[in-house]
Amino acid sequence: GENVEQHPSTLSVQEGDSAVIKCTYSDSASNYFPWYKQELGKRPQLIIDIRSNVGEKKDQRIAVTLNKTAKHFSLHITETQPEDSAVYFCAASRVTGGGNKLTFGTGTQLKVEL
Amino acid sequence: KAGVTQTPRYLIKTRGQQVTLSCSPISGHRSVSWYQQTPGQGLQFLFEYFSETQRNKGNFPGRFSGRQFSNSRSEMNVSTLELGDSALYLCASSDRVYEQFFGPGTRLTVL
Repeated sequence: GENVEQHPSTLSVQEGDSAVIKCTYSDSASNYFPWYKQELGKRPQLIIDIRSNVGEKKDQRIAVTLNKTAKHFSLHITETQPEDSAVYFCAASRVTGGGNKLTFGTGTQLKVEL
Repeated sequence: KAGVTQTPRYLIKTRGQQVTLSCSPISGHRSVSWYQQTPGQGLQFLFEYFSETQRNKGNFPGRFSGRQFSNSRSEMNVSTLELGDSALYLCASSDRVYEQFFGPGTRLTVL
């Protein structure tokens, strides 16, 4: 089955700096890669996703890049703010007409310091 | 639209008991997936239901089961609870195949 590795496990940045979180996946047939943000005690929130027919996607201060050849994808957050502090999870899935089974990375604790 | 809701939010059980958790998806969403979140194992897929049929299944023992009703609400059941079943159980709903939106979870503690 699919295996997703995520690095780093913790990341501390100064407010205003950029943060990058990287994930690798094992199943070359995976075609959907969402990122979730989970604040302490809250539900995971979908913040951005990318499909395998796209190399990059941006949404304001957040961007995701995908390298299908190397089987890795990354989350980029620019101009970080204290409210960006949370645990971020990447996931991968082989989406077919038969559904969507997400395999998650182990999470990255991002801390944005003032 | 109202978000995904889960009941109960917190549950305490003892070993050997069984438990049933409930999930109501976003209105119009027909797919419901269940995940277990623990500090040691992270987020792990349990199963997915679509139109009352189990469409995908993760690698959990048969003690974990689920079902979906005609209104898309879903329940999951864990029988013969073990200490290791203590976790946050999250459900997620989807109206298409891609985006999944999570509920707040049910925190299960097994004593």
